[in-house]
Amino acid sequence: GESVGLHLPTLSVQEGDNSIINCAYSNSASDYFIWYKQESGKGPQFIIDIRSNMDKRQGQRVTVLLNKTVKHLSLQIAATQPGDSAVYFCAEKSSNDYKLSFGAGTTVTVRA
Amino acid sequence: DAGVTQSPTHLIKTRGQHVTLRCSPISGHKSVSWYQQVLGQGPQFIFQYYEKEERGRGNFPDRFSARQFPNYSSELNVNALLLGDSALYLCASSWEGGGNQPQHFGDGTRLSIL
Repeated sequence: GESVGLHLPTLSVQEGDNSIINCAYSNSASDYFIWYKQESGKGPQFIIDIRSNMDKRQGQRVTVLLNKTVKHLSLQIAATQPGDSAVYFCAEKSSNDYKLSFGAGTTVTVRA
Repeated sequence: DAGVTQSPTHLIKTRGQHVTLRCSPISGHKSVSWYQQVLGQGPQFIFQYYEKEERGRGNFPDRFSARQFPNYSSELNVNALLLGDSALYLCASSWEGGGNQPQHFGDGTRLSIL
């Protein structure tokens, strides 16, 4: 069977390695998903989004994967850099709603 | 281009007082949403306004109210402050209220209740 990535509250990554951050969402009606990065003392910063009609979307050094069957979302960061250290949140939304619902967040620490 | 701007950045109040927080959206954005973020948690939705009308409200008491002005800026008001209202209050703007489009956040107002 397919394994579902566990949500971990913290992730320690060696500089230059790839990072994978997992998120399980709860609402089967959600059809829009966003990853945000939040640095200390700042607001959440938009990274990448994906709509439910897609399974994968790529940006600069980041890839988001969506598995609607198991309601799982992941963010992959290539060649992780010290500036990637932050708390990462996934957020979900349905078209007939106005609010974003946020996950618990994963704190990523990059080791030099 | 300027992002979402919020004022003040920090605020200290005592229990029972009221507070007004302000937000200016990204130029061209007509929708403003407010979120509360308690330390160690993700943001929780409070309100969304679009074209000066409330479009959605989260599970917050009536002590919380908001409004949006003709220039699309917004105020969040909280009355009869409680210790539990201590949090980071975030404003986010988007082009319109519904649909699938990203909300862009400001850096928030850190509210401390003594």
